[in-house]
Parts: sequence; structure tokens; C-alpha cells
Amino acid sequence: AQKITQTQPGMFVQEKEAVTLDCTYDTSDQSYGLFWYKQPSSGEMIFLIYQGSYDEQNATEGRYSLNFQKARKSANLVISASQLGDSAMYFCAMREGLGQAGTALIFGKGTTLSVSS
Amino acid sequence: DTGVSQDPRHKITKRGQNVTFRCDPISEHNRLYWYRQTLGQGPEFLTYFQNEAQLEKSRLLSDRFSAERPKGSFSTLEIQRTEQGDSAMYLCASSWKDRAVGSSGNTIYFGEGSWLTVV
Repeated sequence: AQKITQTQPGMFVQEKEAVTLDCTYDTSDQSYGLFWYKQPSSGEMIFLIYQGSYDEQNATEGRYSLNFQKARKSANLVISASQLGDSAMYFCAMREGLGQAGTALIFGKGTTLSVSS
Repeated sequence: DTGVSQDPRHKITKRGQNVTFRCDPISEHNRLYWYRQTLGQGPEFLTYFQNEAQLEKSRLLSDRFSAERPKGSFSTLEIQRTEQGDSAMYLCASSWKDRAVGSSGNTIYFGEGSWLTVV
């Protein structure tokens, strides 16, 4: 069964610094997708970035980049130039196959990021 | 595109009462998902629909939980005879039908969630 592991319960960073949030995954599938979501205190899950298992380049979206190391089964999120508004919970997720029924996302336990001025 | 909307955003109910949550997905999305999230945890998959067909429901937490999507548009999640352990946030999400598991074209978009407190 697929599994997502986020080992950092909390991370602290100062404004304008870069921060890396760790994510490792376990799957026996050859084709899979990895996602990062941000969840502020309001509760909404905001999609940040996607990496497909066959993508040769690391995904980037603005200040977000995904450090994808397939052999190590890791998909760390890098946030450059942190801002106060980045303070939130961050979840790593992977598509889980449901056989004929399709797929759904499975999530890690999340990392709380706190950005200070 | 108004995003995924959920109603109500907050619900306080007494133990034993029934509650129903509504989800309106992004209009062009044909897949709709329900998740539950408890404090300090990541969302937990419950069930999902493709159009009006409920293709996966084995993850629903008990027979007190049921979901419908009668016309393939909005969906409802009902919890009967609520218990204090049902207190959580219930998230709805939507996407296009997968082309492949590794495809980037079918990102799942979430609503703001419905917070349930059972007292």
C-alpha cells in the first residue's frame, strides 16, 4: 500500500529565507503523481505543485519547487524567500490507485511552517 | 470558475442528531471526493463519485455515513446518529477523470471544508 511520511511536525524560518519541507513516499507503482498542498488556519486545502513520476525536470511554481529524488523516494518542497503569509500547514500527497474505481489522494500528517519577521 | 464550495462551513450538533453537508464542485469536473480531517492529521479519504456513480465507498467510516450525488453535480454527505468522535472537518474536492495516475491534468481541488462539532 502507498504511504506518505512527513517527519517534521514543525518548521520555523525567518522572512526571506528558504525552507525545505521533507516528504518521503512508498509505492510499488511505476506511474504515480505527487502533490503538495497548503492549508492555512481557515481550513482550505490550496494546491501548490505537482510532480509526475516520469517528469524528468523538477517541478517549479513561482517560489515553490519540488526536489524530486526518485531513487530515494523523496519529494521535498522548497519555498524560496519565505513570506509571513506562508505560515500554514503543508501536506504532501500521492495518488493512490483504487483499482477499477480510479484514484484518490493519500496524505501525510503534515508540517506546520511558521514564518517570523 | 467559483471553485469548490461547501455548506455549511460550521455545524454544531447534539449527539444522536443527523447532519448533512453539501458540496458544489467546480462545474466542469466530473469527479467528486469526500475526505475527513481530524486535528493534527492529514485528510482521510472517505468516498468518491464519477458523475452520479459512487465508485468507491468502502472507506466510509461506518454505516452511519452515506453520500449521494443524484444528478452528477452537487453532492451531500450525511452522518446519522452523530457521535462525539465524528467531530472533524469534512472536505470536499473535485477533479477531472484521470487519464493516467501520473497525469498532471487532473489535479484535485478542495473546498474550504465543513467543520462539525458534536456536543
